[in-house]
Amino acid sequence: AQSVAQPEDQVNVAEGNPLTVKCTYSVSGNPYLFWYVQYPNRGLQFLLKYITGDNLVKGSYGFEAEFNKSQTSFHLKKPSALVSDSALYFCAVRDTKDSSYKLIFGSGTRLLVRP
Amino acid sequence: KAGVTQTPRYLIKTRGQQVTLSCSPISGHRSVSWYQQTPGQGLQFLFEYFSETQRNKGNFPGRFSGRQFSNSRSEMNVSTLELGDSALYLCASSSGGRGPPTDTQYFGPGTRLTVL
Repeated sequence: AQSVAQPEDQVNVAEGNPLTVKCTYSVSGNPYLFWYVQYPNRGLQFLLKYITGDNLVKGSYGFEAEFNKSQTSFHLKKPSALVSDSALYFCAVRDTKDSSYKLIFGSGTRLLVRP
Repeated sequence: KAGVTQTPRYLIKTRGQQVTLSCSPISGHRSVSWYQQTPGQGLQFLFEYFSETQRNKGNFPGRFSGRQFSNSRSEMNVSTLELGDSALYLCASSSGGRGPPTDTQYFGPGTRLTVL
């Protein structure tokens, strides 16, 4: 069965420091991987995705993520955090064996960036 | 290009009633998916429609149903509402197609349903 784990409920970082939000996945085929961000009372906003090719994916607002097949991970990173990055982050996976657009989401990680 | 729109944004119903939520996808997108977001269960897939056909369905009771129209707009219906149906219902659209599902899903702002 497909699943996504985000092991940290919350990540705290100081503004200007690098941040990492962790994600591991399990699928039967190959994964398509996504990161979304959610601000209060809003829908999900797409950040980046990995489909194939280069393991390092760059996305919106300076975020990037590294796909590691051997560790089945897709951690989200940013070199220098901003207070405005504080939000709820979701990792999601789509199995290449599934012909639909169904996404399986992790439980979410709340990022708090302190000034 | 306009984003995904959902109406209404907020809804209050009582147990036993039914509700219909509407979603208009991004112009040109043919796949529409629905998700339920609750504090306890997180984000859960309800169903996906492509070209007016349900292509996939999540593990929800038959009280949850949906449909898609020829212009790709979609509605979901929940009958005999229960307290546990209180949630944020999110609609997402993507270009769709019958090849590998590599396209990004773009989400609407959601409909906040409260069941009293």
